[in-house]
Amino acid sequence: GMPVEQNPPALSLYEGADSGLRCNFSTTMKSVQWFQQNHRGRLITLFYLAQGTKENGRLKSTFNSKERYSTLHIKDAQLEDSGTYFCAAEGNNNNRIFFGDGTQLVVKP
Amino acid sequence: EAAVTQSPRNKVTVTGGNVTLSCRQTNSHNYMYWYRQDTGHGLRLIHYSYGAGNLQIGDVPDGYKATRTTQEDFFLLLELASPSQTSLYFCASRGANERLFFGHGTKLSVL
Repeated sequence: GMPVEQNPPALSLYEGADSGLRCNFSTTMKSVQWFQQNHRGRLITLFYLAQGTKENGRLKSTFNSKERYSTLHIKDAQLEDSGTYFCAAEGNNNNRIFFGDGTQLVVKP
Repeated sequence: EAAVTQSPRNKVTVTGGNVTLSCRQTNSHNYMYWYRQDTGHGLRLIHYSYGAGNLQIGDVPDGYKATRTTQEDFFLLLELASPSQTSLYFCASRGANERLFFGHGTKLSVL
């Protein structure tokens, strides 16, 4: 199967809502990075984790290498959170980075 | 913030045309990557490199060549462009055990 499975493919939230995105990995990964792609196509790094949990404002991400998953949690969603979110994981053996297919998030007023 | 510069930002060519996309990073990173992004597919790896003179094949290499001339410069070559290569192309770099840094992307249209 695909090295990285990202869910959900699309998500619609109202302002103020909380939600989560998840990436499952087919094998053990070394690290994970989460990106937001804005309306101009720019890829903005949200988090880079080799293990554990990080928080930044309304965003929180967890990476569990042993259980082969990572999550991105958005709290109190705002209109500017709309965009496409990607996770990207580094394989253990070959320095390749594997991308999920993305989650298209729409935040509605 | 580490810098990755792609050029051109936009390119239009015709079927059979010869295109070179350029990527330069000034971060002293060893690893550089070329991805293409199409609707419904996320980012797909074309070629990548561990350092000057090194080239590794990615997941969608057909129709593409690449060359890493220096530590800083990684080029993607389309010698006979086809409409299926119309896409958004991203270059990225990183150091060992570090995160990816992306360029702004190059929008390529093959007519």
